[in-house]
Amino acid sequence: EADIYQTPRYLVIGTGKKITLECSQTMGHDKMYWYQQDPGMELHLIHYSYGVNSTEKGDLSSESTVSRIRTEHFPLTLESARPSHTSQYLCASKTGMVTEAFFGQGTRLTVV
Amino acid sequence: GIQVEQSPPDLILQEGANSTLRCNFSDSVNNLQWFHQNPWGQLINLFYIPSGTKQNGRLSATTVATERYSLLYISSSQTTDSGVYFCAVNSLKTSYDKVIFGPGTSLSVIP
Repeated sequence: EADIYQTPRYLVIGTGKKITLECSQTMGHDKMYWYQQDPGMELHLIHYSYGVNSTEKGDLSSESTVSRIRTEHFPLTLESARPSHTSQYLCASKTGMVTEAFFGQGTRLTVV
Repeated sequence: GIQVEQSPPDLILQEGANSTLRCNFSDSVNNLQWFHQNPWGQLINLFYIPSGTKQNGRLSATTVATERYSLLYISSSQTTDSGVYFCAVNSLKTSYDKVIFGPGTSLSVIP
């Protein structure tokens, strides 16, 4: 069973607010990822990290930012939320190359 | 980059029926996973299957890496099998170790 956790599960917030989505894993995985997914649509990679102090942007451009100060923690921040940020955000982790990825439960964000 | 295709895009089954979902990928891969996304949006790992065949209860999967496809079999389907099934791959040929998802197959099992 995967030990990767996301909080909150659901968030409704007003336009212009700053938000941080939390992602933590207890498996000691070095690689962590954030994906964005609109309902019924594909998953798009927006950020990834190969380890502490390593962060890169993914395939889909995003106004969010991430940090990786500790191996187990990979938070995503939106400085000023907008309705266009409404989506589901999924965090994942893995280690090595020939291994499986594990996903958190997701955060469903609604910006009103 | 690697392209991942899944078929069919949508599938409606009567409870108890069997089905086969297909995943094709355009280049060699070193990882392949099948996920089930439930109605609450959570991605559940079904199989890690870069090659060969695995079975887990009513589900089984086969990957033929040399022919660049994988199949997911669902037998005696139940309403709880409803959701979206994603195939995802990794390749050593990409610039970084990313999990590339297919578009998914949306399955509805009706009583």
